[in-house]
Amino acid sequence: GEDVEQSLFLSVREGDSSVINCTYTDSSSTYLYWYKQEPGAGLQLLTYIFSNMDMKQDQRLTVLLNKKDKHLSLRIADTQTGDSAIYFCADSGGYNKLIFGAGTRLAVHP
Amino acid sequence: DAGITQSPRYKITETGRQVTLMCHQTWSHSYMFWYRQDLGHGLRLIYYSAAADITDKGEVPDGYVVSRSKTENFPLTLESATRSQTSVYFCASSEPGANTGELFFGEGSRLTVL
Repeated sequence: GEDVEQSLFLSVREGDSSVINCTYTDSSSTYLYWYKQEPGAGLQLLTYIFSNMDMKQDQRLTVLLNKKDKHLSLRIADTQTGDSAIYFCADSGGYNKLIFGAGTRLAVHP
Repeated sequence: DAGITQSPRYKITETGRQVTLMCHQTWSHSYMFWYRQDLGHGLRLIYYSAAADITDKGEVPDGYVVSRSKTENFPLTLESATRSQTSVYFCASSEPGANTGELFFGEGSRLTVL
């Protein structure tokens, strides 16, 4: 079946860039997503990329998509303490279903 | 208030008891979903519904029952709770044909089964 994998933990220094990586198996995905979950809250859409794009930039966020390798990454420039959260990569699985990765916990330290 | 709300937010129950988690959305979205979140597994889909009276199994449906008699409500029932069902449950909704297929999530229901 479809699968989405991502590393579980990333620690960065405040002001540095963070890069969170994800791999997926479904080559027919229309969109790929990054969701953010803050402590005690539900998930919120952070950004997304259409499958025919290689890159999308949105302020401090850069999404890179390598369809050949089925690899998606999220880069956060100038990472701040407020960026500390769990970041989920998600693949569209039909019927608007999303297949989520296990989530990467980003810890930002001074 | 507009949005998607879950209740209860916190629930402690005992093994073998029936528990129902409620989900209500005010957008009239066609699709609704139940996910469970467990450490190391991320979110796994339990059940989803494409419209009222249409439901289908997700990745981990065993031990759960859903219904969707009204578009806005999608309750999840654990008929006989087990300790392995201790988890955080998220309800979500979306609208087909929307630009990005974005899911809108509730704040979650934390269930502990003793």
